[in-house]
Amino acid sequence: AQSVTQPDIHITVSEGASLELRCNYSYGATPYLFWYVQSPGQGLQLLLKYFSGDTLVQGIKGFEAEFKRSQSSFNLRKPSVHWSDAAEYFCAVVTLTGGFKTIFGAGTRLFVKA
Amino acid sequence: SQTIHQWPATLVQPVGSPLSLECTVEGTSNPNLYWYRQAAGRGLQLLFYSVGIGQISSEVPQNLSASRPQDRQFILSSKKLLLSDSGFYLCAWSAVVGGEKLFFGSGTQLSVL
Repeated sequence: AQSVTQPDIHITVSEGASLELRCNYSYGATPYLFWYVQSPGQGLQLLLKYFSGDTLVQGIKGFEAEFKRSQSSFNLRKPSVHWSDAAEYFCAVVTLTGGFKTIFGAGTRLFVKA
Repeated sequence: SQTIHQWPATLVQPVGSPLSLECTVEGTSNPNLYWYRQAAGRGLQLLFYSVGIGQISSEVPQNLSASRPQDRQFILSSKKLLLSDSGFYLCAWSAVVGGEKLFFGSGTQLSVL
């Protein structure tokens, strides 16, 4: 069965520091992978996605993620975190059964210290 | 451009009362539609998805049901709410072609007391 694991429930980083959020997936075929961000009380916004090709993908707000098939990972990174990046981040895999279906990880809450 | 509307934003209901949450999409036709629930401190759980009018797939057994009476309308319902139905409900849509990307509504915070 398809699944997504985000091992860190929450992470705290200082403003200006680098960030890496971990994501591991389980999927039999080549995955479609996504990162979404959710501000408190809001819906989710797509940060970036990977379908094929270059394993390093760039997204909005200065985020990037790297697909590593050997590790079944799709970690999200940002070289310098801003206070406005504080939010919850969800990794997701899309399955193609019966139309597109998105399976989300449990999320990682990011706190940013001034 | 496409937009998705979800209401109400917040709802407080007593146990045993009925529920109806509505979601509509504008600016696109024949979208795939989804209901997700996000319980406090947990990730998003897919509840229902629909690939067309009257076509509903349920992902998990529960006290809720969904209906799609029109192409761009998706309704989440319950006849009798349980305490465990509390949570943040998100409606989302995706295109049939290139439908991997989800577009979310702003969510409904449901508290069952």
